[in-house]
Amino acid sequence: DAGVTQSPTHLIKTRGQQVTLRCSPKSGHDTVSWYQQALGQGPQFIFQYYEEEERQRGNFPDRFSGHQFPNYSSELNVNALLLGDSALYLCASSFLDPGTDTQYFGPGTRLTVL
Amino acid sequence: GQSLEQPSEVTAVEGAIVQINCTYQTSGFYGLSWYQQHDGGAPTFLSYNALDGLEETGRFSSFLSRSDSYGYLLLQELQMKDSASYFCAVRDRSNDYKLSFGAGTTVTVRA
Repeated sequence: DAGVTQSPTHLIKTRGQQVTLRCSPKSGHDTVSWYQQALGQGPQFIFQYYEEEERQRGNFPDRFSGHQFPNYSSELNVNALLLGDSALYLCASSFLDPGTDTQYFGPGTRLTVL
Repeated sequence: GQSLEQPSEVTAVEGAIVQINCTYQTSGFYGLSWYQQHDGGAPTFLSYNALDGLEETGRFSSFLSRSDSYGYLLLQELQMKDSASYFCAVRDRSNDYKLSFGAGTTVTVRA
């Protein structure tokens, strides 16, 4: 049973560029959440997708957008990249149930903005 | 909003017991979770407490006191492989159940 997968593993971009990160959830999971983790910090919630709709959003600007496909996989898009966007981007999959807090995280995409 | 406080670093020897405390401030507390993250790896779920008391899973236990807005993760019989960062995270009804993480505690296990 494949766990959560993310691509690419590493990415280097320059300021002003746009980036797309991809995530495939654990088999059977219908909900995908994205997090940004700066070095030495805890993950910060970006948004959550369920049934191809953005269901929740954290305190991130509109430059951060996403999409969920019918097969539950998801993309995170970041436009007009800033140096401060350099971080580890984590995808987590789960069932849509706040009472069950088990989220399965992918290995992350390390984004470096120069 | 939510705020969580946990110690930044803890060092202990193999076989010892470590307790990582987490205090939180929320408007509508729903549950407290703990995650482990090895350097360069993905966070992995350890435990979840929604009600007061102790939850035990092997060498790891987690405790919650809702009245004190406090919880802890207890690591027993420490092994070298337990060297990692440990994050507490809360879900808050007033924040639409979004998961908010603390800054993490780096545990270093020495031989």
